[in-house]
Amino acid sequence: AQKVTQAQTEISVVEKEDVTLDCVYETRDTTYYLFWYKQPPSGELVFLIRRNSFDEQNEISGRYSWNFQKSTSSFNFTITASQVVDSAVYFCALSALYNYGQNFVFGPGTRLSVLP
Amino acid sequence: GAVVSQHPSWVICKSGTSVKIECRSLDFQATTMFWYRQFPKQSLMLMATSNEGSKATYEQGVEKDKFLINHASLTLSTLTVTSAHPEDSSFYICSARPGTGDSHTEAFFGQGTRLTVV
Repeated sequence: AQKVTQAQTEISVVEKEDVTLDCVYETRDTTYYLFWYKQPPSGELVFLIRRNSFDEQNEISGRYSWNFQKSTSSFNFTITASQVVDSAVYFCALSALYNYGQNFVFGPGTRLSVLP
Repeated sequence: GAVVSQHPSWVICKSGTSVKIECRSLDFQATTMFWYRQFPKQSLMLMATSNEGSKATYEQGVEKDKFLINHASLTLSTLTVTSAHPEDSSFYICSARPGTGDSHTEAFFGQGTRLTVV
């Protein structure tokens, strides 16, 4: 079965702190993709990153970085020097061949609050 | 990036009426679109997969007669909530992926529609 777990329901940090959002996934598939999406209070989902199962290289994009560890089935997301505008719900998602169609399985989300 | 437009952004309707939500891919074609429902402070739950030119595929527990999906073209899918009741109040989001076949490109999401049934 496909499953995505985000153990942190809510996180609060003070501006400029670093924060890591955890994501652990389960899949039988050997080929799969992992995603992170941001959902600000307005509701729309904003794509942040896609990573395929064959590429374990970590990625950095500005203040964002992602750590993909296949050995532990984790795809964690770190925001460095957080800002108030980072406050949102963040979803980790999995897309694998054995999903029905080409659907995503979303994690429950982590609500991040960055306080000024 | 690609744009998916969802309309309306919010709607209030009376109990017993029907509401149609549109999902359009503005700059790409999408054979498949997906409809999700999101309850407050919860994750996105897939309701159905909308296939262009054929019937939608509904997830277990989703009433296909209540949530009518039509995917008449490669750029438009509609979700109609029929005989809406207050328990149908929710945030509905559509998504579409460019291309066809087993593509694992990122999905692009509409801005969502907040439905309130009074």
